[in-house]
Amino acid sequence: AQSVTQLGSHVSVSEGALVLLRCNYSSSVPPYLFWYVQYPNQGLQLLLKYTTGATLVKGINGFEAEFKKSETSFHLTKPSAHMSDAAEYFCAVSWSNFNKFYFGSGTKLNVKP
Amino acid sequence: EAGVTQFPSHSVIEKGQTVTLRCDPISGHDNLYWYRRVMGKEIKFLLHFVKESKQDESGMPNNRFLAERTGGTYSTLKVQPAELEDSGVYFCASSQLGGGDYTFGSGTRLTVV
Repeated sequence: AQSVTQLGSHVSVSEGALVLLRCNYSSSVPPYLFWYVQYPNQGLQLLLKYTTGATLVKGINGFEAEFKKSETSFHLTKPSAHMSDAAEYFCAVSWSNFNKFYFGSGTKLNVKP
Repeated sequence: EAGVTQFPSHSVIEKGQTVTLRCDPISGHDNLYWYRRVMGKEIKFLLHFVKESKQDESGMPNNRFLAERTGGTYSTLKVQPAELEDSGVYFCASSQLGGGDYTFGSGTRLTVV
C-alpha cells in the first residue's frame, strides 16, 4: 500500500536558521509530489509540486524541495526561517492524475525569535 | 475569484445525531473532493465528484456517510448517525477538469461528544 511518512510531527527552528522538513513515500512507482502549508484557520495552500522535469523544485515563500528517486524522498527546505513560516506542513503524493492525494501526517513548524 | 467555502466552520454534536457539512467549490470547477483529518493523523481521501457523479468513493468509511452534489455545484456530506470516531476536520477541495491544482477550503471541524 502506498504511504507517505513525514519524520517529526513537530520541528522547532530559530528565526534565520535552515528549515528542513522530511518526506518519504513508499512505492516502486514514482508519484507526483506536493507540499502544502496550512496556517491557522485557513485551508491548505500549495507550496510547490513536482510532476516531471527538474528534480529541484522552487515554490512560494522561498521554499524548495528536491525529488530523489533513489531515496524515495521529497524533503522541503528553506535557507532562512521567518516567523511567518510557523504553520503546519503536509507532504502529499498522487498517482492518479491528481484525483486522489495521499497525505503525510503533517509537521508543525515552530519558529523561535 | 472566491475560494472554496465550507460551512459550518465548527460543529459540535452529540453521538447519534445527524450533521450535514456543505462545500461550495470555485465556480466552474467540475472536480470536487472531500478529505478528512482525524486528530493528529494524516489527511485521508473520502471521495471525488466529477460534476454531479461520484467518480471515486473508495475512501468513505461506512454507510453512515452520504455525499451528494446535486446539480454539480455545491456538495453536502451527511453523517447519520454520528459516532465519536467521526470527529475530525473535514476538508473540501475543487479543481478544473483535466487536472490542475486543487483549491482547498478551510475545513469544518466536527466534534462528536
